Amino acid sequence: QKEVEQNSGPLSVPEGAIASLNCTYSDRGSQSFFWYRQYSGKSPELIMFIYSNGDKEDGRFTAQLNKASQYVSLLIRDSQPSDSATYLCAVNMMDSSYKLIFGSGTRLLVRP
Amino acid sequence: DVKVTQSSRYLVKRTGEKVFLECVQDMDHENMFWYRQDPGLGLRLIYFSYDVKMKEKGDIPEGYSVSREKKERFSLILESASTNQTSMYLCASSFHTGAGEKLFFGSGTQLSVL
Repeated sequence: QKEVEQNSGPLSVPEGAIASLNCTYSDRGSQSFFWYRQYSGKSPELIMFIYSNGDKEDGRFTAQLNKASQYVSLLIRDSQPSDSATYLCAVNMMDSSYKLIFGSGTRLLVRP
Repeated sequence: DVKVTQSSRYLVKRTGEKVFLECVQDMDHENMFWYRQDPGLGLRLIYFSYDVKMKEKGDIPEGYSVSREKKERFSLILESASTNQTSMYLCASSFHTGAGEKLFFGSGTQLSVL
């Protein structure tokens, strides 16, 4: 079982819709969770992080964390074609605060 | 602005060559990382460093070594390049938030080993 799992997609949504991206993780002691966006041919950039159960909102983005069920999700409201990218979930492992384990990413396509 | 600079965007090397990938950050971050990214496998950690001259193995260190002589510079070395090391290499630096590492990535080096 992979430590951080994501559906590879592509997830296709129409412009203006809500895109929902999900991630599950295996290390029950994980404390911190990150979402990175990676455009094709570019390097990942951090868009959200969360470490408490519940929701965290930043503009059109909402990160949701459920530690009991070991999943973290990213909601993108009012999706735009410019949101089309691969979204990487990353988790800090309990055995090393320095070490981030990445999922393989979900490709999002927002149709105009 | 945060800046992590990788010395080459594209690199082509021959099997058996010694390869150096250089990374420089200007944010005075303590921690630096080398990842490789392959389709379907995501980002995998090769090595990281939490201080000058300190290093720790990541998940796939075999065939690689690193050097950190100065805080701002972290080098990845392929002692004898092989074709299975053809990949996108990403350097990152980070600061610790108290709740985990916030990574900032360089633009990447696409290495092809022929």
